[in-house]
Amino acid sequence: LAKTTQPISMDSYEGQEVNITCSHNNIATNDYITWYQQFPSQGPRFIIQGYKTKVTNEVASLFIPADRKSSTLSLPRVSLSDTAVYYCLVGDPNSGGYQKVTFGTGTKLQVIP
Amino acid sequence: ETGVTQTPRHLVMGMTNKKSLKCEQHLGHNAMYWYKQSAKKPLELMFVYSLEERVENNSVPSRFSPECPNSSHLFLHLHTLQPEDSALYLCASSQDWGGNSPLHFGNGTRLTVT
Repeated sequence: LAKTTQPISMDSYEGQEVNITCSHNNIATNDYITWYQQFPSQGPRFIIQGYKTKVTNEVASLFIPADRKSSTLSLPRVSLSDTAVYYCLVGDPNSGGYQKVTFGTGTKLQVIP
Repeated sequence: ETGVTQTPRHLVMGMTNKKSLKCEQHLGHNAMYWYKQSAKKPLELMFVYSLEERVENNSVPSRFSPECPNSSHLFLHLHTLQPEDSALYLCASSQDWGGNSPLHFGNGTRLTVT
């Protein structure tokens, strides 16, 4: 199973763009990359998923370089409500999927007024 | 706003009690999960059900007993728990097991064992 490494915490001011990078050096060919957001005392919420290059939705963008050994979640113009823990998951959809992969400790993002 | 509902939100129980956690999903998903989240620890996958059959049991102690009577409902029966079992218990569902469909989580049951 691919192991992921993320920064433990990050601070950002309101209105700034935030980039959170996840390293997954032993990512396998069939692995997808998925990001979740979790607020205190709530379950994680799916943000975005990708396999390669760039994926964008109404919430965030996900950048994946050609070697796929890392990925970057980009949150445009963060607000105080974006303060949360962000998890990067990597998994193979053909063997239990990323659902079987540990969430890790995530990155705690603190948005400052 | 979540399509996965968990009850109760909070539960306090003694070590000799028996209680059950309930999860219901309104998304038409085929797979359901129980996760445990302890303070300052990663989420731990406990059980997975696909089409009402258990497909994963991650070495969970027998004092935790899951039940999936249909594809919309999932229970976690608790008995003779230990204080270290105090945690946030999260239920999730996904369209299918074995794919890369996103997990949809409920807001959890905060369990305290005294």
